[in-house]
This record gives sequence, structure tokens and C-alpha cells, in this order.
Amino acid sequence: SQTIHQWPATLVQPVGSPLSLECTVEGTSNPNLYWYRQAAGRGLQLLFYSVGIGQISSEVPQNLSASRPQDRQFILSSKKLLLSDSGFYLCAWSRGTQETQYFGPGTRLLVL
Amino acid sequence: QQQVKQSPQSLIVQKGGISIINCAYENTAFDYFPWYQQFPGKGPALLIAIRPDVSEKKEGRFTISFNKSAKQFSLHIMDSQPGDSATYFCAAWKNTDKLIFGTGTRLQVFP
Repeated sequence: SQTIHQWPATLVQPVGSPLSLECTVEGTSNPNLYWYRQAAGRGLQLLFYSVGIGQISSEVPQNLSASRPQDRQFILSSKKLLLSDSGFYLCAWSRGTQETQYFGPGTRLLVL
Repeated sequence: QQQVKQSPQSLIVQKGGISIINCAYENTAFDYFPWYQQFPGKGPALLIAIRPDVSEKKEGRFTISFNKSAKQFSLHIMDSQPGDSATYFCAAWKNTDKLIFGTGTRLQVFP
């Protein structure tokens, strides 16, 4: 069966510090991978998606970047965090362009 | 045309009652409509989904009603339970594209 992991689960970072969130998927190959952000009590904002190694599409211009160094690894980064980067970050995967996305447990980021 | 409009934003239902959440879309190319359930502090999980060739799909206490001509679909939770308290997202998808999510509905079921 397939499993998606995210870490860390919770992160408190000062403004201006760098960020690295990691997502890995087990039990499948060549998945589509997605990063979403969810502000408190709000909907899901798609940040990035990837259809393969090194292939990243950005949905919203912002202070964040994404990379996919391996088939089942997706990394969300920032060089300098802003207060507005606080939120709940969710990684998801799907089988190719198939319609069902499976979400990870999320990382709660608080920027102070 | 890519939007999915979801209502209400929040919903309070008594235990045993029926919870109804509505979504509307514009793009007739959408051909898959899932509902996701998200508990606090957790990632969303697929609850139930429907394709536009059927008007209703039922899984246990959860039913999706789909009105293709009106471009609307809704989630009905029968005999709502406190354990159903969560945020529900509708979504729409068309081939080779991304899932388009609604804005979410926070459901609270009181005993």
C-alpha cells in the first residue's frame, strides 16, 4: 500500500530564517506530487505541483520554492520566511494525472 | 470558469439531523467530483466521489446528489454524528488537469 510522509509535524521559525519541508511517498512510482498551503480556517491553496523529477510548476508567485530531487521526494523551501508564510502545509500525491489525490499529515508552520 | 463555489461556510447540526453542503461549478469539462473530509490538524481524506453520468451516489450515511443541468452537486450526511464534525471540501477535476477545490465547510454536530 502507499504511504505519504511529511516532516516535521510542527515548526516554529523566526522571520527571515530559511525553511525546508520534506515529503516522501512510499509504495508507488512516478507519482504526481503537490504542495498546498492552508491558512487557519481557510481553504486549500495549491502552491506547486510536479509531474516528474526536476519538473516543478508554480501556481502562485511567492516567497517559496519547490524541488523534486528524487522520484518520490518533494521539498518545499524558502530562503527567508515572512510572517505571512505561517500556515498548514500539505503534501499530496496522485497516480499520474488521475483524479484522486492522497494527502499527507501536514506540517504546521508558525513564523514569529 | 475554473472555480468551484461551496456553501455554507459553516454549518451547525444536531445529532441525528441531516447535513447538506452545496457546490456549484461553471466548467462543463469537469468529469469527476470528489468530496474530502478533514479533521483538525490532519490532512484531507477522500470521502466519496461521483462522475456526471450518475445523479446520485450513496456510501453509508454519505450521499452525493449531482445535477448536471444546473452544474451543482451536494453532499448529504444522514443521521449526522458528533464524529462527523470536520471541514468538508468539494472539488472538481478534468482530465490531465488539477483538482479545483471549493473553499470548505466547517461542520459541527452537537449531541
